[in-house]
Amino acid sequence: SQQGEEDPQALSIQEGENATMNCSYKTSINNLQWYRQNSGRGLVHLILIRSNEREKHSGRLRVTLDTSKKSSSLLITASRAADTASYFCATDIQGGSEKLVFGKGTKLTVNP
Amino acid sequence: ETGVTQSPTHLIKTRGQQVTLRCSSQSGHNTVSWYQQALGQGPQFIFQYYREEENGRGNFPPRFSGLQFPNYSSELNVNALELDDSALYLCASSLTRGTGIFSYEQYFGPGTRLTVT
Repeated sequence: SQQGEEDPQALSIQEGENATMNCSYKTSINNLQWYRQNSGRGLVHLILIRSNEREKHSGRLRVTLDTSKKSSSLLITASRAADTASYFCATDIQGGSEKLVFGKGTKLTVNP
Repeated sequence: ETGVTQSPTHLIKTRGQQVTLRCSSQSGHNTVSWYQQALGQGPQFIFQYYREEENGRGNFPPRFSGLQFPNYSSELNVNALELDDSALYLCASSLTRGTGIFSYEQYFGPGTRLTVT
């Protein structure tokens, strides 16, 4: 079963707009990561946020984490057509193994 | 792109057959994890190998097995293939610095697309 659930399942925006994706999870975690996948190919690691962090930035990416609500959000600012991809959140379960548990993903389309 | 490579890229097998998928980890990485990704779903953890031993397993039957070699490359073997095994199989490498000290960031290969008919 999936640990995380991304919301929305699909998002379509215009180039230059911001894109926000949300992730909810069920159990306590050590950290949460966001990955990107282009057209059913391999995943690319975007950013990792630890359970004791609330916000993290990397370039045009901003990730927030609310452990009390068991949720995270990924904001992509000033989106580009090249940002079109599926985005997944992944958690490692606190007290569990080092395996990553992925959500079903948000499919982002950025229209030029 | 990461330094993780997988072969083959695509594979078509018949139900009941056996398949071996291969993965070369990124230079300097000693841990390999395998994931199955069905169409429209997120990746599901199959198992992880560290120091040539299985180090954690997801909810997959024993007909899914693996190996890790001294050079940290890895194989995923699936016996008695079923139609539901059709999926993208992803390999990810990472660095484990010591017992219980894992690098949570994983570097994924491009995947092997397996179709079972």
